[in-house]
Amino acid sequence: DAKTTQPPSMDCAEGRAANLPCNHSTISGNEYVYWYRQIHSQGPQYIIHGLKNNETNEMASLIITEDRKSSTLILPHATLRDTAVYYCIVRPLEYGNKLVFGAGTILRVKS
Amino acid sequence: ETGVTQTPRHLVMGMTNKKSLKCEQHLGHNAMYWYKQSAKKPLELMFVYNFKEQTENNSVPSRFSPECPNSSHLFLHLHTLQPEDSALYLCASSPETRGSNVAFFGQGTRLTVV
Repeated sequence: DAKTTQPPSMDCAEGRAANLPCNHSTISGNEYVYWYRQIHSQGPQYIIHGLKNNETNEMASLIITEDRKSSTLILPHATLRDTAVYYCIVRPLEYGNKLVFGAGTILRVKS
Repeated sequence: ETGVTQTPRHLVMGMTNKKSLKCEQHLGHNAMYWYKQSAKKPLELMFVYNFKEQTENNSVPSRFSPECPNSSHLFLHLHTLQPEDSALYLCASSPETRGSNVAFFGQGTRLTVV
């Protein structure tokens, strides 16, 4: 499985966009990029995923570089409730795929 | 509400007790997973079931025994646990274990072994 590298923590002002980077330089062609977040002591929450095109949903946008070696999760207007650990995960498509979690990025949204 | 329900939410058990954790999903999924999250550590995958068959056991000690009677239910039977087994146990489900599908998690069971 490709590994991901994320900064251990980031701060963001409430109402501003939060841009969370993820490096996955060893990603292969059949691997998707997934983002989850975990608010303290709760189960992880799915945010978004993509292969090579940029994706947007009601929660966030995912920007994947053309070479697919890195991506950025964008929360357009961060609120205090977005404070959480954000996980960037690379997941293959073949049988037996599974989510392997790293340490993630602690995002602190401050008023 | 993710469609994945875990019970109980909190459990305290002695080292000689036997208890079971239950997970139920109402999403029509065919794959289910158990994860363990110890304090200040990343989630660790324990077991994977696909269409009721166990497809992965991630070197989990035998004092943890999973059971998947059907695609909607997953159990984790616990016996003679150790204090270091205290953790948040999370269940997840996905349509199956291949493809670009999404896994959804329950809220977890906070287990304390005394």
